[in-house]
Amino acid sequence: GIQVEQSPPDLILQEGANSTLRCNFSDSVNNLQWFHQNPWGQLINLFYIPSGTKQNGRLSATTVATERYSLLYISSSQTTDSGVYFCAGNRNSNSGYALNFGKGTSLLVTP
Amino acid sequence: NAGVMQNPRHLVRRRGQEARLRCSPVKGHSHVYWYRQLPEEGLKFMVYLQKENIIDESGMPKERFSAEFPKEGPSILRIQQVVRGDSAAYFCASSAKGGNGYTFGSGTRLTVV
Repeated sequence: GIQVEQSPPDLILQEGANSTLRCNFSDSVNNLQWFHQNPWGQLINLFYIPSGTKQNGRLSATTVATERYSLLYISSSQTTDSGVYFCAGNRNSNSGYALNFGKGTSLLVTP
Repeated sequence: NAGVMQNPRHLVRRRGQEARLRCSPVKGHSHVYWYRQLPEEGLKFMVYLQKENIIDESGMPKERFSAEFPKEGPSILRIQQVVRGDSAAYFCASSAKGGNGYTFGSGTRLTVV
């Protein structure tokens, strides 16, 4: 299956700082999503972004499909942004639609 | 507009017992996926189902694990004769089309004692 590499694995920020999280794929993907898993374990869908750029409040994401990577930008971070950020993708095919997840970036935002 | 509903949120089973995990997809979604998350790891795909059909079960262990998505009612992930290694968080997701734009449930945290 597709290998997904996320960086950095861990990140500590002071409130108000900006950050960029990166996701590399071993092969081209048709579907790409970013998720936030909060400290209570809940998975929140942030972006469905197979290509291009999207913005939602303080978060934005850019996927460069031809170069097999995606970036998640967090601006003016808040303590509620803490948690683990996962990217995941797949290649739609008749044989399967499994999302392949990276190991995540663990983010801690301190007051 | 309820999201993906999973129950129970927490489940404790003794070794050798059966565990049944339920998942009701987003209304109108006919594609359901089950994933397992071990502590401090990413999610691993287990099975993809549409109504009454298993489409892809390449991530399911060969023994003790089964899944169904009947015409009526929730999707069920069933683990027979649980062992300590089955302790994990099990997440269900649904989508309107296969593989596009997942919505995850809150997960069921299974503890085998």
